[in-house]
Amino acid sequence: DQQVKQNSPSLSVQEGRISILNCDYTNSMFDYFLWYKKYPAEGPTFLISISSIKDKNEDGRFTVFLNKSAKHLSLHIVPSQPGDSAVYFCAAKVDAGGTSYGKLTFGQGTILTVHP
Amino acid sequence: DAGVTQSPTHLIKTRGQQVTLRCSPKSGHDTVSWYQQALGQGPQFIFQYYEEEERQRGNFPDRFSGHQFPNYSSELNVNALLLGDSALYLCASSLAGRATEAFFGQGTRLTVV
Repeated sequence: DQQVKQNSPSLSVQEGRISILNCDYTNSMFDYFLWYKKYPAEGPTFLISISSIKDKNEDGRFTVFLNKSAKHLSLHIVPSQPGDSAVYFCAAKVDAGGTSYGKLTFGQGTILTVHP
Repeated sequence: DAGVTQSPTHLIKTRGQQVTLRCSPKSGHDTVSWYQQALGQGPQFIFQYYEEEERQRGNFPDRFSGHQFPNYSSELNVNALLLGDSALYLCASSLAGRATEAFFGQGTRLTVV
């Protein structure tokens, strides 16, 4: 049972344009969501997160949007840069206000390629 | 500030053997989680250690076991290795009771032949 799904295996974008990565989840208990970026031969690096009490969180070029009713979140990167080329993972957890153990459930990942 | 460190980075083992992977958490972190990432997949949660005890476990057989030491470092042990255990094993550290992101190490690439 895939509780977190990233349905687009890959995305190709021109430098300077917007990259939009999507993620869907099925478990309504999830209340904290994270995006990680992973380069080859490295571990995932935290990018940005959002709590279920918010619908948007912004950090520089990265913005995450959460639509709880649709159980959908997206990561927007504006403007996209060649250095953003990596695998992006969406992850979710049951946080319960910081009292839960924090097990992360990941999607399959989306390979983003930003062309110069 | 050292981040999460894992050793070794690469490992080749024969089917049926046993393996031990090691992880040192980020300074100040007290919780260690282990994940298995198969090729083309997202990381899958194996288990989590806090205060030297396994606190939560994913859907992995008992061949997968772990340990956490008083200095918060951790080991992942896999017995009776199968070809399907070939994967990238990731360690993540975090702070208990905080809604913070987990920090990952670079992983150990295990190949079972």
